Amino acid sequence: DQQVKQNSPSLSVQEGRISILNCDYTNSMFDYFLWYKKYPAEGPTFLISISSIKDKNEDGRFTVFLNKSAKHLSLHIVPSQPGDSAVYFCAALAGGTSYGKLTFGQGTILTVHP
Amino acid sequence: EAGVAQSPRYKIIEKRQSVAFWCNPISGHATLYWYQQILGQGPKLLIQFQNNGVVDDSQLPKDRFSAERLKGVDSTLKIQPAKLEDSAVYLCASSPIRRSAGRREAFFGQGTRLTVV
Repeated sequence: DQQVKQNSPSLSVQEGRISILNCDYTNSMFDYFLWYKKYPAEGPTFLISISSIKDKNEDGRFTVFLNKSAKHLSLHIVPSQPGDSAVYFCAALAGGTSYGKLTFGQGTILTVHP
Repeated sequence: EAGVAQSPRYKIIEKRQSVAFWCNPISGHATLYWYQQILGQGPKLLIQFQNNGVVDDSQLPKDRFSAERLKGVDSTLKIQPAKLEDSAVYLCASSPIRRSAGRREAFFGQGTRLTVV
């Protein structure tokens, strides 16, 4: 049972434009959501996160939006840069503990063209 | 601050052989995770330790996989005997215990790419 889903395997965007990556979840116990970025031959690196008590969190060019009623979150990258080309994973934590397990989506390959 | 260290980076073995991976988490991090990432999929949790105790190993194939975290610091993950479907990247991650609200991310190592032939 896939509790976190990223339905777009890939996304191609022109440099300078907006990239929007989407993620859906099914488990109502999830209360914290994260985005990780992964380059080839490297481990995932943390990008941005959001608590379920918020609907938006912004960090520089990256903004995450959370719609709890729709069980949907999205990552916006503005403006997109070629160095943003990577695999992006959505992940979720449940239960309010500080040591819960991360449940990941399948990932979306973002390609930013110069 | 040093990151999560893993070794080896790459390993090729024949099916039915055994293999072991090592992980040293970020200093002071009480929680350690082992994830398996098969090509084209997201990371899947195999086992989670809190200090040297197991918190979650529900998705660990216990007939062939084992893991330990002696003294609550570094950890080893072993596969014996390996199968072709074990070919994947094995990621170790760690996180601190946070008593108050705040960021709750885990920090990942570079991973070990295992190929079983």
